[in-house]
Amino acid sequence: DAGVIQSPRHEVTEMGQEVTLRCKPISGHDYLFWYRQTMMRGLELLIYFNNNVPIDDSGMPEDRFSAKMPNASFSTLKIQPSEPRDSAVYFCASSSVTTEAFFGQGTRLTVV
Amino acid sequence: AQTVTQSQPEMSVQEAETVTLSCTYDTSESDYYLFWYKQPPSRQMILVIRQEAYKQQNATENRFSVNFQKAAKSFSLKISDSQLGDAAMYFCAYRRPGGTSYGKLTFGQGTILTVHP
Repeated sequence: DAGVIQSPRHEVTEMGQEVTLRCKPISGHDYLFWYRQTMMRGLELLIYFNNNVPIDDSGMPEDRFSAKMPNASFSTLKIQPSEPRDSAVYFCASSSVTTEAFFGQGTRLTVV
Repeated sequence: AQTVTQSQPEMSVQEAETVTLSCTYDTSESDYYLFWYKQPPSRQMILVIRQEAYKQQNATENRFSVNFQKAAKSFSLKISDSQLGDAAMYFCAYRRPGGTSYGKLTFGQGTILTVHP
């Protein structure tokens, strides 16, 4: 298995633009997590899904953030409109009830 | 809510020497899991070692071992025979037990480890 795959690896966008981050979890994993890493706040859980259903989105900072998981092999995290303070590394991770979480390599987002 | 604290923002060690990274946590639960993750410059989060709270024996993975003090809520990582490839940011993390909690991690702030040749 190729592991958790995230795209793009880097994204630079202008303030006000829509940004979509993508994640392909490990096949067979039924939990998917989105984390954000910043210098100020460290690593924080934004939202997680179980069997494609959002379970806890209490970490989503604002309504500008939304996440979807249309099927077991794909999830998106969208920011609309983006702001400079959204600049961070966004990680996707997946797990099952018998395995610890595996992380993707992250997407570094820069909003200018 | 659980909290994880790493009080050492940066640590350094000479190659082949031993270094210990500190972590404390706060929880009201009796059963839980603790982890150390390594994040090299590539950004990849790599699981280094895992400790189950109900196990008294400290976990060991090759050159990596932990000192788990449940009563003190302390969980330190010892790296023996340090190698240049050990240079990275290290995160201590906590999660609750149960299948639904896999991946729901609470992280510390991280410790940057530098290894000098």
